[in-house]
Amino acid sequence: GAGVSQSPSNKVTEKGKDVELRCDPISGHTALYWYRQSLGQGLEFLIYFQGNSAPDKSGLPSDRFSAERTGGSVSTLTIQRTQQEDSAVYLCASSLDTGYEQYFGPGTRLTVT
Amino acid sequence: KQEVTQIPAALSVPEGENLVLNCSFTDSAIYNLQWFRQDPGKGLTSLLLIQSSQREQTSGRLNASLDKSSGRSTLYIAASQPGDSATYLCAVRPDAGGTSYGKLTFGQGTILTVHP
Repeated sequence: GAGVSQSPSNKVTEKGKDVELRCDPISGHTALYWYRQSLGQGLEFLIYFQGNSAPDKSGLPSDRFSAERTGGSVSTLTIQRTQQEDSAVYLCASSLDTGYEQYFGPGTRLTVT
Repeated sequence: KQEVTQIPAALSVPEGENLVLNCSFTDSAIYNLQWFRQDPGKGLTSLLLIQSSQREQTSGRLNASLDKSSGRSTLYIAASQPGDSATYLCAVRPDAGGTSYGKLTFGQGTILTVHP
């Protein structure tokens, strides 16, 4: 079956602009996760959803970052007023339920110029 | 705060060798541990998941062990092949019951190169 998909695969934006990153989880997966991978920080947890609610937002770096999930499926990660330090690969994962094996998408490479 | 360490940071071996990658974690209150591989410019591929109650899991040439009390896991790769070249990451999930239950904490990875 189809895996986790993310769009766009690459995004180049100017400093100060807003960006939206999209994640489509595996069909039937109730849990969805966002991570960020950068050279200096490795792989960092951002936020996860169980259904449409987000029990843990502890990894969001600042209030410029927000995420939502609607209909228990697609999720959008929004970064407002982007900064150069936001440049990274943003990875999305999903699992059948919280606590189950996580399956990752190919990521969105964000470059802020 | 959970911290995950992987040793070695990089490993280069000739084809056919058996090898061991190490992962250690500071907080033993984990629900499970997952091993991934990542190819350059790609996402993560799940290799093995070990529940906290398990000692090991096997898939083909891969065997992962878990010693929860000592905070260690190893990934054993038998008869390595050039196609095994990738970055290998381990990640732990905290025990159920808290709001952080869904969060994976990753190590920095081991870069493996298998040369013909």
